[in-house]
Amino acid sequence: GESVGLHLPTLSVQEGDNSIINCAYSNSASDYFIWYKQESGKGPQFIIDIRSNMDKRQGQRVTVLLNKTVKHLSLQIAATQPGDSAVYFCAENGVGGNQFYFGTGTSLTVIP
Amino acid sequence: DAMVIQNPRYQVTQFGKPVTLSCSQTLNHNVMYWYQQKSSQAPKLLFHYYDKDFNNEADTPDNFQSRRPNTSFCFLDIRSPGLGDAAMYLCATRKEGAVETQYFGPGTRLLVL
Repeated sequence: GESVGLHLPTLSVQEGDNSIINCAYSNSASDYFIWYKQESGKGPQFIIDIRSNMDKRQGQRVTVLLNKTVKHLSLQIAATQPGDSAVYFCAENGVGGNQFYFGTGTSLTVIP
Repeated sequence: DAMVIQNPRYQVTQFGKPVTLSCSQTLNHNVMYWYQQKSSQAPKLLFHYYDKDFNNEADTPDNFQSRRPNTSFCFLDIRSPGLGDAAMYLCATRKEGAVETQYFGPGTRLLVL
């Protein structure tokens, strides 16, 4: 499968601060990327996605940035809340488009 | 309403005893996936169905098999579970052709004794 990795396995932030979670992907042919949030004992939950023809996409309190030159993806969470505490994964679709490969994951802890 | 349903949520089996995990969906999505997720690791894609076409990942052990009798249901069969197969197994669906992500079920946690 493809190789998608994260720089930081754990991240702690104060409530109200902004969080940035990073991801490096390996397949330059990937054209679709997704960020997932996974809470303990649950399946991954879609947060935001981005196509390779874009470099930025914004959602509610979240922004995804894509830098294809260095094959880097980031997730920015504004005004982080305790409910944001979870493990965050990036995923890429790789060659073919139907397969999705996950990165290592970052555990985000929000300190009240 | 649950859209991707996995049963059971917890499954205990014995070493070497075949076990089947099930997944059903109400979304009418044509693509279905099975992932294995071990503790503190990322989900690892085992295989996926594109309609009725089965697509195995190159590094998925032969011990893992899958069936998709119809659009709504997909099964994961582990023929001879080993201790290393204890994990969370996640099912996901996707509507191919649409700019849509995968929808995941809650997972089945498998314990091998």
